[in-house]
Amino acid sequence: DSGVTQTPKHLITATGQRVTLRCSPRSGDLSVYWYQQSLDQGLQFLIHYYNGEERAKGNILERFSAQQFPDLHSELNLSSLELGDSALYFCASTDSPGNYGYTFGSGTRLTVV
Amino acid sequence: DQQVKQNSPSLSVQEGRISILNCDYTNSMFDYFLWYKKYPAEGPTFLISISSIKDKNEDGRFTVFLNKSAKHLSLHIVPSQPGDSAVYFCAASNSGNTPLVFGKGTRLSVIA
Repeated sequence: DSGVTQTPKHLITATGQRVTLRCSPRSGDLSVYWYQQSLDQGLQFLIHYYNGEERAKGNILERFSAQQFPDLHSELNLSSLELGDSALYFCASTDSPGNYGYTFGSGTRLTVV
Repeated sequence: DQQVKQNSPSLSVQEGRISILNCDYTNSMFDYFLWYKKYPAEGPTFLISISSIKDKNEDGRFTVFLNKSAKHLSLHIVPSQPGDSAVYFCAASNSGNTPLVFGKGTRLSVIA
């Protein structure tokens, strides 16, 4: 157990639907990063939050949004889902943005049918 | 445009021999590099890192070499063990708050 909890582990949904992925960072970590891993692709950075504030955005579609709550857990919302959104979504946390020893959760596997 | 490239999708090595995983980068602003290991159904775990002020960093069986002029780094595992079989990701960042940029990964298989 890495200390980073992601739920659900698996999600199957239909095109056009909306889903919410949840991440609880390791205790004491203030930074949360979201990454997407599609088939045969590396980890693509989506978005970074630090202590409730958005710090950086990567290749995140407009249909996707995220937030970090006062208790530091984060949610990634994916809407108007398309087949191409099927992927593994990882959350990672660190205690500060300058610490690159990210601790990853085990991911949420999203399948859009 | 891929800024971090791992050109070998897979590598097979015999137990006890050396495994060498390679990584190239294009962004000359990158100054911190890391390797992560990923087992199936788990998230990536941090393995070893190197700052651009160094050209080598060792941690037990794992050594990372950095060649800044060639924009190339490599991970050496000696001796390789079956438990090292995993996907290895190279990652890079420039100093500050920029998130890590990952390569596509190399799947290492260590054969007993």
